[in-house]
Amino acid sequence: QVQLVQSGAEVKKPGSSVKVSCKASGVIFNSNAISWVRQAPGQGLEWMGGIIAIFGTPKYAQRFQGRVTITADKSTSTAYLELNSLTSEDTAVYYCARGSGYAFPSNWFDPWGQGTLVTVSS
Amino acid sequence: QSVLTQPPSVSAAPGQKVTISCSGTSSNIGNNYVSWYQQLPGTAPKLLIYDDHNRPSGIPDRFSVSKSGTSATLGITGLQTGDEADYYCGTWDTSLSAAVFGGGTKLTVL
Repeated sequence: QVQLVQSGAEVKKPGSSVKVSCKASGVIFNSNAISWVRQAPGQGLEWMGGIIAIFGTPKYAQRFQGRVTITADKSTSTAYLELNSLTSEDTAVYYCARGSGYAFPSNWFDPWGQGTLVTVSS
Repeated sequence: QSVLTQPPSVSAAPGQKVTISCSGTSSNIGNNYVSWYQQLPGTAPKLLIYDDHNRPSGIPDRFSVSKSGTSATLGITGLQTGDEADYYCGTWDTSLSAAVFGGGTKLTVL
């Protein structure tokens, strides 16, 4: 069964960094791009970027350029999201999701990981 | 401020029909496929519709989409209490070179 399993909740101080992992089944990892989407409390969905897993080629949303790094480890079928210079506005649930096709654009996302809550607080 | 525009909320009685609109521009909906997601409280989004009007396996035909120009509309017939959720439209924006979503619509089944 196609599945994405994410790492657990994190509590971080302002100014620090967080790294969230997303382990995928082998079929997903070799055939699809993996994206990261976040959802602030009570807010909508926001695409942060993704990676063409088989090539390790990342793509970032402009507003996160320079602050986010998305990587992939083919040996463990795991994608990572690292976000730096955290502020309280980064408090959100972070989801990974399989994108349609192995590259971008991604026309749809399915399945989604269970989500990782990142809380930024002093 | 979301790139795609959805109404914040809609409501209808059980058994009735409801529609949720999603408005964009030629750089997104107008020239790219639209997808829809259902998010039940406390859970991850679930793909409901892909490539404008296709339903994944297991999604009932009570869910349908119409698309015209730079807008798309999700229709849900035979409403059930289990349909209460937030619904999001999504697509690719060619100008932004990014996936974009609507702000979400909360469906209440009265």
